[in-house]
Amino acid sequence: AQTVTQSQPEMSVQEAETVTLSCTYDTSESDYYLFWYKQPPSRQMILVIRQEAYKQQNATENRFSVNFQKAAKSFSLKISDSQLGDAAMYFCAYRRPEGGATNKLIFGTGTLLAVQP
Amino acid sequence: DTGVSQNPRHKITKRGQNVTFRCDPISEHNRLYWYRQTLGQGPEFLTYFQNEAQLEKSRLLSDRFSAERPKGSFSTLEIQRTEQGDSAMYLCASSRLGGELFFGEGSRLTVL
Repeated sequence: AQTVTQSQPEMSVQEAETVTLSCTYDTSESDYYLFWYKQPPSRQMILVIRQEAYKQQNATENRFSVNFQKAAKSFSLKISDSQLGDAAMYFCAYRRPEGGATNKLIFGTGTLLAVQP
Repeated sequence: DTGVSQNPRHKITKRGQNVTFRCDPISEHNRLYWYRQTLGQGPEFLTYFQNEAQLEKSRLLSDRFSAERPKGSFSTLEIQRTEQGDSAMYLCASSRLGGELFFGEGSRLTVL
């Protein structure tokens, strides 16, 4: 069974600085998708960034980028120029590709990010 | 596009009572998912529908839980004979086939 592990329950960063959130996963599949979701307090979860396992190039979305290490099964999120609005719970998630036996997202336990002014 | 809507947002009930949550997905989305999230944990998959068909159910979904999506639009999640361990946030999400999941704000259940 696939698992997702986030070993940092809480992280803190100064405004305008850079922070990296860690995620490791376990799977025997060669093709899959990885995601980072953001859940602000009392707000719905939104997708931050996604990575297809078959793509070697790391995904980037504005200030958010990932470091995808397929062999190490590692998928970290880097937030550059941190802003107060980045404060939230961040979840790493895994999903099999379309057409597989299941299409559910498997989530890690989350990292609570605080941004200090 | 008004997003995924969940009702009620908060529900407080006594142990042993039945509760029902409703999810209205984004209108053109044919997939609908239910997740449960407890404090300090990531969301755990419960079940998902493609149109009106329930295609997968987690073992977390005991026989006290039932979900329906009768016309392939809105969905309901019913919990019968609630227990204190059912206290959690129940999240609904919808997507197109192979597309991004859009989540609702969740329905928080407190069982006294």
